[in-house]
Amino acid sequence: EAGVAQSPRYKIIEKRQSVAFWCNPISGHATLYWYQQILGQGPKLLIQFQNNGVVDDSQLPKDRFSAERLKGVDSTLKIQPAKLEDSAVYLCASSDAPSSYEQYFGPGTRLTVT
Amino acid sequence: AQTVTQSQPEMSVQEAETVTLSCTYDTSENNYYLFWYKQPPSRQMILVIRQEAYKQQNATENRFSVNFQKAAKSFSLKISDSQLGDTAMYFCAFQFMEYGNKLVFGAGTILRVKS
Repeated sequence: EAGVAQSPRYKIIEKRQSVAFWCNPISGHATLYWYQQILGQGPKLLIQFQNNGVVDDSQLPKDRFSAERLKGVDSTLKIQPAKLEDSAVYLCASSDAPSSYEQYFGPGTRLTVT
Repeated sequence: AQTVTQSQPEMSVQEAETVTLSCTYDTSENNYYLFWYKQPPSRQMILVIRQEAYKQQNATENRFSVNFQKAAKSFSLKISDSQLGDTAMYFCAFQFMEYGNKLVFGAGTILRVKS
């Protein structure tokens, strides 16, 4: 079974530029999560989708971050414009919720904003 | 709000020895899950072990076991017979007992296994 795929693996941009990350969850998983992991901290949920609907986006900085999950499969996370403090690893995870508790993580995208 | 605290930023252990990583959490809920995740340098987050709060018996997965103290809100991970491949960042995480809920992570503990 293929795991959660993410691209790109690394991205370096200048502040005020835009960037987009892509995630392809495990086939059949209805729930998709985006977590932000700042260096030295644990991951923090940015947004959670159930199919193509948003379940929780309370921690998403909506003035600059946006996310979508068209057709309830792939998802993109966008930052526009980026700030220095957005430098982090962005992890995508999926789960077969509500049938299962377990979340499966992708390899993450490391973003550096200069 | 739920919080998870890992008080040990870094730990080291000799190969084949035993090490215990600490975790405490704060919640007013009675039903929840607790997890330990491993994140090697490749960044792939891997589930190590989970514990349901309603279960008194401590979870065990091969060389990994937990000491779950619900009243004390403590959830430590014991790794026996440590191997070089156990070198990684370890995260303790909390989840409400409702499938699909988000994970709340601690800050992590870097574990280095020395030969």
